[in-house]
Amino acid sequence: GQQVMQIPQYQHVQEGEDFTTYCNSSTTLSNIQWYKQRPGGHPVFLIQLVKSGEVKKQKRLTFQFGEAKKNSSLHITATQTTDVGTYFCAGPFDYGGSQGNLIFGKGTKLSVKP
Amino acid sequence: DAGVIQSPRHEVTEMGQEVTLRCKPISGHNSLFWYRQTMMRGLELLIYFNNNVPIDDSGMPEDRFSAKMPNASFSTLKIQPSEPRDSAVYFCASSPGTGRYRGYTFGSGTRLTVV
Repeated sequence: GQQVMQIPQYQHVQEGEDFTTYCNSSTTLSNIQWYKQRPGGHPVFLIQLVKSGEVKKQKRLTFQFGEAKKNSSLHITATQTTDVGTYFCAGPFDYGGSQGNLIFGKGTKLSVKP
Repeated sequence: DAGVIQSPRHEVTEMGQEVTLRCKPISGHNSLFWYRQTMMRGLELLIYFNNNVPIDDSGMPEDRFSAKMPNASFSTLKIQPSEPRDSAVYFCASSPGTGRYRGYTFGSGTRLTVV
């Protein structure tokens, strides 16, 4: 079945260092979404990428969608303690052309040491 | 908008008891999803409704789990009888519809502990 895989599972960084998480799908995706979940919180939608090779930025966060639309990455420049949390990628499971449920990766848990 | 509202926030119950989790989606959102989150299995979709109709319930673990959406503003997830392995955080999420490019809005979740 469709799977979305994320690596690494955990990442510990010193404040100010960069961070990257990678997402790979077993199938081509129509779009990919990224979510952030703070400790004890709920997933919060960050962004959606749709086009092959698309790159989007949100302040220190850079999101990329691969040319084949099967992989994606999230890069954070100069991490801050506020970046702590688990970052999930998610891809839609298509039902005959319309979006059904999202399949979430297992997430990358980021901890930042001040 | 108040967002997706879930209740209760925390539930502790004894094995064998019935548990009912509640969700109010964002007004105007046509799709509603119930997810379960555990350390071992991550976020798992349990069931998905579109326009109040269950579309995919293949993630419901077993017959002890049931979900309803009697109207566009309310959904329940029921576990009867509950077991310790059901302990998890249960999230409800809604999205504007079956259009391709729709992010989900999650509720704050219900942390269920079955002892």
